Amino acid sequence: DVKVTQSSRYLVKRTGEKVFLECVQDMDHENMFWYRQDPGLGLRLIYFSYDVKMKEKGDIPEGYSVSREKKERFSLILESASTNQTSMYLCASSLLTASEAFFGQGTRLTVV
Amino acid sequence: EDKVVQSPLSLVVHEGDTVTLNCSYEVTNFRSLLWYKQEKKAPTFLFMLTSSGIEKKSGRLSSILDKKELFSILNITATQTGDSAVYLCALSHTGTASKLTFGTGTRLQVTL
Repeated sequence: DVKVTQSSRYLVKRTGEKVFLECVQDMDHENMFWYRQDPGLGLRLIYFSYDVKMKEKGDIPEGYSVSREKKERFSLILESASTNQTSMYLCASSLLTASEAFFGQGTRLTVV
Repeated sequence: EDKVVQSPLSLVVHEGDTVTLNCSYEVTNFRSLLWYKQEKKAPTFLFMLTSSGIEKKSGRLSSILDKKELFSILNITATQTGDSAVYLCALSHTGTASKLTFGTGTRLQVTL
């Protein structure tokens, strides 16, 4: 079975902190994605990557950056956390030309 | 802008009822349409539809895509309390990484 693992289930951070959310997949997938999920807005794509060191902006990249130094790991970075970044963050991965994406368990981030 | 709209936003049914969830879209070019089920945590894959008019079935769940009228439906027959979840519709884009655009989801509650 594909496994996508996010490093934390719950995080509480202070405004202005730099926050790292880590995601690891074990199926050698080329594509990795970061989404955030908010009530009434569904899942929105923040960033994605289709290869090591490659990254592309999604629909809402402002305030975020990403890092992909190894194929299996995709990190989301909040440079200076703000309260409007309080959300559920979901990581996903897929094969290069495949549509089906596999999701991690999510990280619920609260910025206070 | 690509748009995926799901309806209804939420519904409550009794165990044993049949439900139909709707997904309409305004996307000019996509690879496939996917349905996911999300309970408390990670969305789990249900169906992928690429061709119009061909029904996919899995037990009590079935789904069909109409590319002419730009919609898909997800049917659940003989609902059970375990079907309670948020059901997400997503479109997989053509091009690199097959990123997904999600609708806001339909929250289904099945009561005894």
